[in-house]
Amino acid sequence: NAGVTQTPKFQVLKTGQSMTLQCAQDMNHEYMSWYRQDPGMGLRLIHYSVGAGITDQGEVPNGYNVSRSTTEDFPLRLLSAAPSQTSVYFCASSWDRTTYEQYFGPGTRLTVT
Amino acid sequence: TQLLEQSPQFLSIQEGENLTVYCNSSSVFSSLQWYRQEPGEGPVLLVTVVTGGEVKKLKRLTFQFGDARKDSSLHITAAQPGDTGLYLCAGERTYKYIFGTGTRLKVLA
Repeated sequence: NAGVTQTPKFQVLKTGQSMTLQCAQDMNHEYMSWYRQDPGMGLRLIHYSVGAGITDQGEVPNGYNVSRSTTEDFPLRLLSAAPSQTSVYFCASSWDRTTYEQYFGPGTRLTVT
Repeated sequence: TQLLEQSPQFLSIQEGENLTVYCNSSSVFSSLQWYRQEPGEGPVLLVTVVTGGEVKKLKRLTFQFGDARKDSSLHITAAQPGDTGLYLCAGERTYKYIFGTGTRLKVLA
């Protein structure tokens, strides 16, 4: 099993550009989520999904879109990048809420200039 | 809104010392998790506590969930340089995980 994979590992965008951060898991997990990590702020939940076709907003959803067409993939889209979105982004997955065990990907470091 | 406060934010100790990290909230959580994160990597789960008052041990690490399920502590006995890292607590409530700000621990040999 590869676990949770994220691409790209690093990305630099100009303000106003759009891009998609990819996240995939091969553990047949139902629950997937996206976080951003900023210095001194811990991890903040952006969006999450409890299964294919179901998504919901987390703590900081503005400026980000998600979709969950398959169990394996949970891409995060930045529609019009802003410098405030400079951060490290982590994707995570777990079987479901009752197992409480989240597995994290290695992260994508995004810089918006 | 940051619902989980961790203390201390930074801790530098000598090898062999004991330490306790606290994770406090005014909200009740269904469960609380502790993670450790190394530079350039994602957090790795250490333990999950679910029941109020629950105590779990993982070698030299002892985790406790408060009776009211609002707070938790992580105690490390005889810290070693390999314990160095960022420790994060996270509370779960209705599918949403709220993370604390983290405690950066450095254990000096």
